[in-house]
Amino acid sequence: DAMVIQNPRYQVTQFGKPVTLSCSQTLNHNVMYWYQQKSSQAPKLLFHYYDKDFNNEADTPDNFQSRRPNTSFCFLDIRSPGLGDAAMYLCATSNGWTGSKEQFFGPGTRLTVL
Amino acid sequence: AQKITQTQPGMFVQEKEAVTLDCTYDTSDPSYGLFWYKQPSSGEMIFLIYQGSYDQQNATEGRYSLNFQKARKSANLVISASQLGDSAMYFCAMRTTGGGNKLTFGTGTQLKVEL
Repeated sequence: DAMVIQNPRYQVTQFGKPVTLSCSQTLNHNVMYWYQQKSSQAPKLLFHYYDKDFNNEADTPDNFQSRRPNTSFCFLDIRSPGLGDAAMYLCATSNGWTGSKEQFFGPGTRLTVL
Repeated sequence: AQKITQTQPGMFVQEKEAVTLDCTYDTSDPSYGLFWYKQPSSGEMIFLIYQGSYDQQNATEGRYSLNFQKARKSANLVISASQLGDSAMYFCAMRTTGGGNKLTFGTGTQLKVEL
């Protein structure tokens, strides 16, 4: 089945140690998103790619970077994780901008920072 | 700016009963879409139903229906015949034409279905 896959599902890292989260999709969608969701809160958009065009949200910390080497893969790099970065990280995809184009979400990666 | 408000942090419903989850929104964009997502404890966001601002009829998808009242800027989700597997967090979200395909989420409602 076509889907959005996130690896790993659970990631533990140490304070200040760089970590990379992975997302892949078999939907061939041109838009990919990264969300941060802290406990009992709504998902918060960090950035998105429209094809290769990167779009950063104004309030996304510089500590968060992203790469999209091809249509299928997108990575979230956290350069120096702090305790406040512990959260669920959700990857999503959509096929274009307009209409009833729902976003398809992956299962998420739960990040713990020790 | 877009805003979604979900005023019910938690709801309980008995199995086989119907339940309504409230959602109100605010936008100045005449063209927008409203989405409902379900998030079980496993974490994945599951798309349930969509309503476009120009749609004349309320959206329905199986046991899910959306009570869209445009003048009141509300888009409540109705789940009929609740099942134990419906226990989850439910998020209302909005996309506006001016905002590309970015979704603005509400704070969610935790639904618990009881026997």
